[in-house]
Amino acid sequence: NAGVMQNPRHLVRRRGQEARLRCSPMKGHSHVYWYRQLPEEGLKFMVYLQKENIIDESGMPKERFSAEFPKEGPSILRIQQVVRGDSAAYFCASSPVQASSGANVLTFGAGSRLTVL
Amino acid sequence: GQQLNQSPQSMFIQEGEDVSMNCTSSSIFNTWLWYKQDPGEGPVLLIALYKAGELTSNGRLTAQFGITRKDSFLNISASIPSDVGIYFCAGQSPTINNTNAGKSTFGDGTTLTVKP
Repeated sequence: NAGVMQNPRHLVRRRGQEARLRCSPMKGHSHVYWYRQLPEEGLKFMVYLQKENIIDESGMPKERFSAEFPKEGPSILRIQQVVRGDSAAYFCASSPVQASSGANVLTFGAGSRLTVL
Repeated sequence: GQQLNQSPQSMFIQEGEDVSMNCTSSSIFNTWLWYKQDPGEGPVLLIALYKAGELTSNGRLTAQFGITRKDSFLNISASIPSDVGIYFCAGQSPTINNTNAGKSTFGDGTTLTVKP
C-alpha cells in the first residue's frame, strides 16, 4: 500500500524554464494539498484540490503557479518561468474523504526539491 | 491570515533528557497535529488532537490540546538520538462549506538535536 508518491524528488531548472511536479495520493484518498517549504522555514499552504476541482487556492502566488488534479492521473503543480526565489521543497499531502468531525489528517509525500539556477 | 508561534526554535539536549515544545495561536483551532520531519523527507504525523483539553500519548510522546483551543504542547520523555529532527505543530480551523477542509496552518518548527 504505497503512500503519497511525488516525483521528481529533485529538479534543477534555469531561470525562465518551467517546472512540473507530480503527486499521486494514497490509494483511497480523494483530497490533495500542496505545501511549500523554504529553507529553515515551516510549511506554507498553497492549494487544496479534489478530482477536477480546485477547492482552495488562497496560498498560490497569483502568477506563474497553477495546479490541477485531473480525473485520471496524478495532481500536477506547474511553475512557469521559474525564478531563483521559487527554489524550495514542495510537498504534496493527501487525505481521505473528510471525516464528519471536520478534521483531516494529512499524509505527506517525501517532497520535490526544486533548485533554480 | 492565521499564524502559529512555535517555540523554542531549536533545542540542544543530552540523551535521556525530557523535551517540551509548544505552539500558540491567536485563532481557535478544531484540531491540533504534531509532525516530525527527518532531513530530506516529508513530515510524518506523530499525534492528532481533536478536543479541547485532550491529552494523548504515543510511546514517549505526550501532547495536549489547550483548553482555550489556541495552544498545544508536545513533550518527549527520555530522549534518544533518533528523536533528532524538526517538529512541527499544525492547526486546522473549523470547516465552512467544505472550505478550510484539511488546510493546516503550520508553525515554523522546533529543531531538536540530541547529544549522545
